[in-house]
Amino acid sequence: EVQLVESGGGLVQPGGSLRLSCAASGFTFSSYWMSWVRQAPGKGLEWVANIKQDGSEKYYVDSVKGRFTISRDNAKNSLYLQMNSLRAEDTAVYYCASSRDSTFDYWGQGTLVTVSS
Amino acid sequence: SYVLTQPPSVSVAPGKTARITCGGNNIGSKSVHWYQQKPGQAPVLVIYYDSDRPSGIPERFSGSNSGNTATLTISRVEAGDEADYYCQVWDSSSNGGVFGGGTKLTVL
Repeated sequence: EVQLVESGGGLVQPGGSLRLSCAASGFTFSSYWMSWVRQAPGKGLEWVANIKQDGSEKYYVDSVKGRFTISRDNAKNSLYLQMNSLRAEDTAVYYCASSRDSTFDYWGQGTLVTVSS
Repeated sequence: SYVLTQPPSVSVAPGKTARITCGGNNIGSKSVHWYQQKPGQAPVLVIYYDSDRPSGIPERFSGSNSGNTATLTISRVEAGDEADYYCQVWDSSSNGGVFGGGTKLTVL
């Protein structure tokens, strides 16, 4: 059974940093692109970033470029999102998702990030 | 960037057919995927590549895509189908996903 378990969310002040983690199991993690998708409270889904199987390619939505960094450790079956210079508008549930071709085929349950003073 | 437009809400009586649209410029030339999200839960892929169903998704769920509109069709709607539905395509310019704004399906 595919499992994606996010952790690391919480309350952080504007300008602060947070590192999200996603532990994967039940599939060959190193064979998949992986993504982060977020959902602000009461709002829709927004793709944030993705990373190629070997970490050689990374892409970001414009609003987080230069502030967020996606990375992975295939030996640990883990995906990460380092978030710096956080803003109120980054408040959201952050989902880890496996990406196959152009879909997001499996999702974690999400971790809530709240940016507030 | 590419924009996908969905109606905010669709209502349907149990047993009837619900159709949720997703509009985009020449969307028929793209592959469209659909996700179901129930309150407090993560999204679930219900249709991929316009009309394919992942294993475990009922045959009542189907999809089509042509011209400027993609459509998710849910036949014989059940109370358990009440959820938010999102369409999604891949944006080659950003190398990332683009989601529609979502449609809340209400079962009357």
